Amino acid sequence: DQQVKQNSPSLSVQEGRISILNCDYTNSMFDYFLWYKKYPAEGPTFLISISSIKDKNEDGRFTVFLNKSAKHLSLHIVPSQPGDSAVYFCAASISDSWGKFQFGAGTQVVVTP
Amino acid sequence: DAGVTQSPTHLIKTRGQQVTLRCSPKSGHDTVSWYQQALGQGPQFIFQYYEEEERQRGNFPDRFSGHQFPNYSSELNVNALLLGDSALYLCASSLVTDNQPQHFGDGTRLSIL
Repeated sequence: DQQVKQNSPSLSVQEGRISILNCDYTNSMFDYFLWYKKYPAEGPTFLISISSIKDKNEDGRFTVFLNKSAKHLSLHIVPSQPGDSAVYFCAASISDSWGKFQFGAGTQVVVTP
Repeated sequence: DAGVTQSPTHLIKTRGQQVTLRCSPKSGHDTVSWYQQALGQGPQFIFQYYEEEERQRGNFPDRFSGHQFPNYSSELNVNALLLGDSALYLCASSLVTDNQPQHFGDGTRLSIL
């Protein structure tokens, strides 16, 4: 039962342009969402999060948007840099079950010069 | 400040054997969660330990068990290994009181022959 879905397995974007990664979820109980970034041979590292009481959260080049009615969130990276080439995972949790995160399958981002 | 450390880095076992993976949480963290990441998939939650007890569990069979020690370090044990248990096993730690994102280790790559 895949409750968090990332339907784009890969994304290629030019350096300096915007990267938009999408994530859909099915469980309406989810109230906390995160994005993690993963390089090969390393564990995932936290990027940005958003609570369900907000619809946008921004941190430098990274912005996460949440559309609760559509059960959809997106991550915008502007401008994209070569170091952003990695796999990006969307994850969701219910506050009462803190630490039990459901992850999507990931999107491989490649930033080209 | 040491982050989450896992050992060993790689492990090869045969079907039917048993394996123990180890995790030391980030300094100051008291909660440890274990995830299984199969090739091309996102991490799947196995279970979480806090105060030396299993607090939450995902959809994994009883062959998967764990332990948390008084120093907050943790072990993941898998009995009667199957070919399908081949995966990257990730440990993540957090502080139960602050609802902050988990910090992940680099994982143990388990291969079953």
